[in-house]
Amino acid sequence: EVQLVESGGGLVQPGGSLRLSCVASGFTFSTYWMTWVRQAPGKGLEWVANIKEDGSEKHYADSVKGRITVSRDNARNSVYLQMNSLRGEDTAVYYCVRHINWSFDSWGQGTLVTVSS
Amino acid sequence: QSALTQPASVSGSPGQSITISCTGTSSDVGGYNYVSWYQQYPGKAPKLMISDVSNRPSGVSNRFSGSKSGNTASLTISGLQAEDEADYYCSSYTRSSTPWLFGGGTKLTVL
Repeated sequence: EVQLVESGGGLVQPGGSLRLSCVASGFTFSTYWMTWVRQAPGKGLEWVANIKEDGSEKHYADSVKGRITVSRDNARNSVYLQMNSLRGEDTAVYYCVRHINWSFDSWGQGTLVTVSS
Repeated sequence: QSALTQPASVSGSPGQSITISCTGTSSDVGGYNYVSWYQQYPGKAPKLMISDVSNRPSGVSNRFSGSKSGNTASLTISGLQAEDEADYYCSSYTRSSTPWLFGGGTKLTVL
């Protein structure tokens, strides 16, 4: 069974930093692109970033470019999201998602990031 | 880059069919057969219901179907059931600086 478990969310002040982690199990992690999707409270889904199987290619949403970095460690079956210069509009549940072909087929339960003073 | 356009809400009675539209542009929905649909219950993670416009993943009820015409994709749910009441989101690959877009979401109410 595919499992994705996020951690690292919490309350952070504006301008602060946070690192989210996602541990994968139940599939061969190193053969899949991985994606982060977020959802602000009461709002819709927003694609944030993705990373290729070997980490050689990364893409970011315009809204987070320059402030967020995605990385992975295939030896640890883990993908990370380093978030800097956080703003109130970054407050959201962040989902770790497996990317298969052209869709997102498995989602974690999400971790809540709250940016507030 | 704007989100794909979905109706905010749709409703139907048990047994009926409903269709949710997802409108984009020739740079996203109209330009690629990479539209997918997701079901989300309150407080839960989304679930993939349709991939590549019309493919149904294993385990998804055949009451769910997808299609596309021009810049608009559609999700049809036939034989509505109470358990279908949820939020639905479309997504598409796009040749823009942000390579993936989601729709704003549609709340389905089963009357």
